[in-house]
Amino acid sequence: SQQGEEDPQALSIQEGENATMNCSYKTSINNLQWYRQNSGRGLVHLILIRSNEREKHSGRLRVTLDTSKKSSSLLITASRAADTASYFCATGPNNGDKLIFGTGTRLQVFP
Amino acid sequence: DSGVTQTPKHLITATGQRVTLRCSPRSGDLSVYWYQQSLDQGLQFLIQYYNGEERAKGNILERFSAQQFPDLHSELNLSSLELGDSALYFCASSVNRQNYGYTFGSGTRLTVV
Repeated sequence: SQQGEEDPQALSIQEGENATMNCSYKTSINNLQWYRQNSGRGLVHLILIRSNEREKHSGRLRVTLDTSKKSSSLLITASRAADTASYFCATGPNNGDKLIFGTGTRLQVFP
Repeated sequence: DSGVTQTPKHLITATGQRVTLRCSPRSGDLSVYWYQQSLDQGLQFLIQYYNGEERAKGNILERFSAQQFPDLHSELNLSSLELGDSALYFCASSVNRQNYGYTFGSGTRLTVV
C-alpha cells in the first residue's frame, strides 16, 4: 500500500516558472525522500530530509517537511524543459529502511 | 549508468509461464529492494534482501519469489504469470543505513500476453 499521496497529480508550467509539489503521509517517519523518474526509466534520488529537519536545499530544489501535519513539499525554482518528469516522495519508516513511495506528480515544463 | 544493473530490459511472455529477473547492486551496497510499478498501482514494494537474507516483505504474491546470492546479485522469479503481472519491475540498492537514498536500476519491462 502507498504511504504517500501527492498533490497535484499533474502540473503543467512554462519554463522559468516555479513548480511546487506536495506530499502527505500517514505514519511516523525517520526521513522523507524525493525521487524523479523520466518516462519509463529508473528513479533518481534527488534529496533526503530527516524527520528533525524542516527545510533543505539542493541547487534549484527546496524541500520542506512538517511532521506535525505529516506533509512535505518540493519546490523546483526556475523550471527548465529538462525538468519534465514524474516526481515521487518516499518515506523511510522508523523501523527498518524500506521506502514506501507516494503516487507521484507528473510535471510538464513547456519551453 | 546508476551502477545498478537489471537484465533483461524487456521481456514478453505468455500467461502461465515463469520468468527470472536479475539485478546486480551498486558496488558496496548490501541491500537490494524489488519494486513493481504499474499504471494503476503505482510503485509497490515487493521485497528486500540484505547480505543474502530476506529483511522485509511487502505486497509480494505467493507466485513470486526472490533471493540474493553470495555475490549480492538478486533474482526475482515470477511464475504462473497473469496478464495483470505486466509492469515495470525495478531493483534498487542501498547501503542499508537509515537516511541514505536508494540507487535504482533502469528496470525490466514485463509484458504478459
